[in-house]
Amino acid sequence: DAGVTQSPTHLIKTRGQHVTLRCSPISGHKSVSWYQQVLGQGPQFIFQYYEKEERGRGNFPDRFSARQFPNYSSELNVNALLLGDSALYLCASSSGTGDEKLFFGSGTQLSVL
Amino acid sequence: AQSVTQPDIHITVSEGASLELRCNYSYGATPYLFWYVQSPGQGLQLLLKYFSGDTLVQGIKGFEAEFKRSQSSFNLRKPSVHWSDAAEYFCAVGGEDFGNEKLTFGTGTRLTIIP
Repeated sequence: DAGVTQSPTHLIKTRGQHVTLRCSPISGHKSVSWYQQVLGQGPQFIFQYYEKEERGRGNFPDRFSARQFPNYSSELNVNALLLGDSALYLCASSSGTGDEKLFFGSGTQLSVL
Repeated sequence: AQSVTQPDIHITVSEGASLELRCNYSYGATPYLFWYVQSPGQGLQLLLKYFSGDTLVQGIKGFEAEFKRSQSSFNLRKPSVHWSDAAEYFCAVGGEDFGNEKLTFGTGTRLTIIP
């Protein structure tokens, strides 16, 4: 079975641009979470979606948005990119029951120049 | 608000020696506690988790962790490290509201193994 897949693996953007990151969860998983990992730091929670509904949001500005599709895949969108948005963006999936483990993808490395 | 402190940024251990990585947490209710490992360029892999019950938790790859409520700690241990254990280790805390979905991570401890 395929694990959590994220695309693209690497991305270079310039300040002010918009970016869309994509995530496909493990088959059967209905919950997708997004994390931002700045170099040298631990991952920081951005969003969780379950059954296409936002279940939680971290302390990120409104420039960050996400959605989940009927097939449970998800997109993370970031508008008006800043240099500080440069990070590894991780997607994780789970069954959504709250007591099952999170499975992480390998992430999308975003560089903002 | 929940928080995690990993006081050791970098630890170097000889292959075959024992290992202990420290983790202190702050959480108002019953914590869900996790240890994850991250190899360069990779996502996170769950080593072990504590939700309730026995305070000594066994995980994968020979790791274990002990939950000590009185010390707000959840230290990770391994009796004998292997060169393949070199990686970044993250402690994380979750809670009953989100279970293991919304985690707060520490800043990580980088583990180097020397021959």
